[in-house]
Amino acid sequence: DIVMTQGALPNPVPSGESASITCQSSKSLLHSNGKTYLNWYLQRPGQSPQLLIYWMSTRASGVSDRFSGSGSGTDFTLKISSVEAEDVGVYYCQQFLEYPLTFGSGTKLEIK
Amino acid sequence: EVQLVESGGGLVQPGRSLKLSCAASGFTFSNYGMAWVRQAPTKGLEWVATISYDGSSTYYRDSVKGRFTISRDNAKSTLYLQMDSLRSEDTATYYCARHRLFDYWGQGVMVTVSS
Repeated sequence: DIVMTQGALPNPVPSGESASITCQSSKSLLHSNGKTYLNWYLQRPGQSPQLLIYWMSTRASGVSDRFSGSGSGTDFTLKISSVEAEDVGVYYCQQFLEYPLTFGSGTKLEIK
Repeated sequence: EVQLVESGGGLVQPGRSLKLSCAASGFTFSNYGMAWVRQAPTKGLEWVATISYDGSSTYYRDSVKGRFTISRDNAKSTLYLQMDSLRSEDTATYYCARHRLFDYWGQGVMVTVSS
C-alpha cells in the first residue's frame, strides 16, 4: 500500500500569515500520462470533507485562490496564503494512483 | 446542484448486517464511479470501496473484503454498501463520494457496532 505521511503545523497560525502543509508518499504518484495523482481536502469541524486541490496543483471549483498545491512525484505541499478563520479544520492529502486509495493522517490548522 | 444523501445507518450488534444507501442527484449518476469512505470517531479518513460507473468493477480495502459489498442501481441513481459480519472496528461515519476526484461528498451516516 502507498503510505501518505503528513507534517504538522506550528499551531496556532496568526490570522493573515501563510501556512504550508507537507505530504510525502511512499511511492511516486507521477503517472506516465504526466499527471500526479494527489488530492487535498479540508474537513471543517462537524462537516464532510471538501475537495481543495486535485492532480496535485489544480484548484477545485469555487476554492479560494489563497490555496495552492505543488510538489514532485513523492513530496507535496499545500500552501494557504493569508489564513482566515474559515480555514480552520483538518487537511488531508490522498493518493488515487492505485488501490487501496490512501489518505494521510491529517493536519490540523488552528488560527490565532 | 449535486447532492449525495446517505441513509441506513444505526446501532447494530457485532456479527450482524446493515445496508447503507446513497441517493444521488444533480448529475448523470451512470457516468461516474462512486466510492464509500469512512471515518472512525476522532480518526482520519479511510477509503472503503469503489465501484465503476457501470458496476462491472469493484475494489475493496483488505479489512472489508469478503464482508462488504458495494453495488449500484443506475436507474435509481443510488449507491449501496451491504455490510455483513460487522465488527466493532467498523464503527464509523460512512460517506459516499463521487469517484475518482472525490469532488462531492454526502453528509455521512453513522454506523455503530456494539453489543
